[in-house]
Amino acid sequence: GAVVSQHPSRVICKSGTSVKIECRSLDFQATTMFWYRQFPKQSLMLMATSNEGSKATYEQGVEKDKFLINHASLTLSTLTVTSAHPEDSSFYICSARSGSSSYNSPLHFGNGTRLTVT
Amino acid sequence: QQQVKQSPQSLIVQKGGISIINCAYENTAFDYFPWYQQFPGKGPALLIAIRPDVSEKKEGRFTISFNKSAKQFSLHIMDSQPGDSATYFCAASTGFGNEKLTFGTGTRLTIIP
Repeated sequence: GAVVSQHPSRVICKSGTSVKIECRSLDFQATTMFWYRQFPKQSLMLMATSNEGSKATYEQGVEKDKFLINHASLTLSTLTVTSAHPEDSSFYICSARSGSSSYNSPLHFGNGTRLTVT
Repeated sequence: QQQVKQSPQSLIVQKGGISIINCAYENTAFDYFPWYQQFPGKGPALLIAIRPDVSEKKEGRFTISFNKSAKQFSLHIMDSQPGDSATYFCAASTGFGNEKLTFGTGTRLTIIP
């Protein structure tokens, strides 16, 4: 089945530094990738939608200058948390699909990245 | 309008029993309803999904029941096993499943021996 690989799985960084998280579709080309954030024991909150070759679409309340998303190729999207602060500590999850409709190409999720900002 | 309400928040079921998780929505434009299973420290994995033109879909021990008029759908896990212990999320989207998913709040399921 389709595999989405996310790296790193865990990262600890100091307050004020930037962290980059990679999301790769391993056996398919992802026209659309989504980035989610999940706090402990809570649901997934969509942060942004990333389309290859174009600017990401951010959800209301998500700072686009703080959470930089780059979807440079059909198999790679990156999320950079800039000037991280302790409140940015969370579980970040990416997802991807190959086609335009979940009817035919379901969304597949990566295993997430646990970010801890000290 | 975009909310998906999920219940219960947590559920304990004896091994071999039936686990039932319910979701309700308001947006009648939703046309794709998937269920995801998530283990601790992992990303969600698609379990089963349904479109509004059918009332039930079954895959192995997992069944989705869909009630379009009541705007409700539910997940039934038959013969529940300890390995089913996980958090389950319902979700919904529009545009023939093309648009972003709106997730329910999650149900932590525990199967006891």
